[in-house]
Amino acid sequence: NAGVTQTPKFQVLKTGQSMTLQCAQDMNHNSMYWYRQDPGMGLRLIYYSASEGTTDKGEVPNGYNVSRLNKREFSLRLESAAPSQTSVYFCASDPRGGYEQYFGPGTRLTVT
Amino acid sequence: EDKVVQSPLSLVVHEGDTVTLNCSYEVTNFRSLLWYKQEKKAPTFLFMLTSSGIEKKSGRLSSILDKKELSSILNITATQTGDSAIYLCAVESNTGNQFYFGTGTSLTVIP
Repeated sequence: NAGVTQTPKFQVLKTGQSMTLQCAQDMNHNSMYWYRQDPGMGLRLIYYSASEGTTDKGEVPNGYNVSRLNKREFSLRLESAAPSQTSVYFCASDPRGGYEQYFGPGTRLTVT
Repeated sequence: EDKVVQSPLSLVVHEGDTVTLNCSYEVTNFRSLLWYKQEKKAPTFLFMLTSSGIEKKSGRLSSILDKKELSSILNITATQTGDSAIYLCAVESNTGNQFYFGTGTSLTVIP
């Protein structure tokens, strides 16, 4: 039981490049989330998926897209990376509303 | 606008001290309040507090929810160096399963 896994762990992009961050969970959870964490800003929700087949915007969705590929996988795509997207990205999941979230190890992204 | 505010932003104490961390919130359709510990990696879950469970305790850590004051405290007694971390407070809204996080309190415990 690996919990929540994320790939890659680290990534450096040039401005304008695109990339996809991958997230998978093996706990049969319904809900999955993408957060970014910046110094002094705490964790901010980018997008979430309450169940397979649905996605919704969080606090800071601009510049990102997501895909809930199946119940296990939830990917985050940066179409045209900007330096403002330099951050640590965390994926999380929970069984459904009213339960604690389980977090992946994070992806440290730098955009130059 | 939904928000969660934690105080203090940072705290430095000596081993053996007792600390109290604060979290206040303004979130539409409150469902639960959660505390997490983050040590340079992913946050790990500590407690969940709801209307039906306003007080939780685990070893030296305890937490209380005050729904009237829209706030919560996290107490750590007899602190140890291993308690050094960022403590995050999050509030879950019934509206679409959204979680709102505070900026965290950075705790440093000096031997």
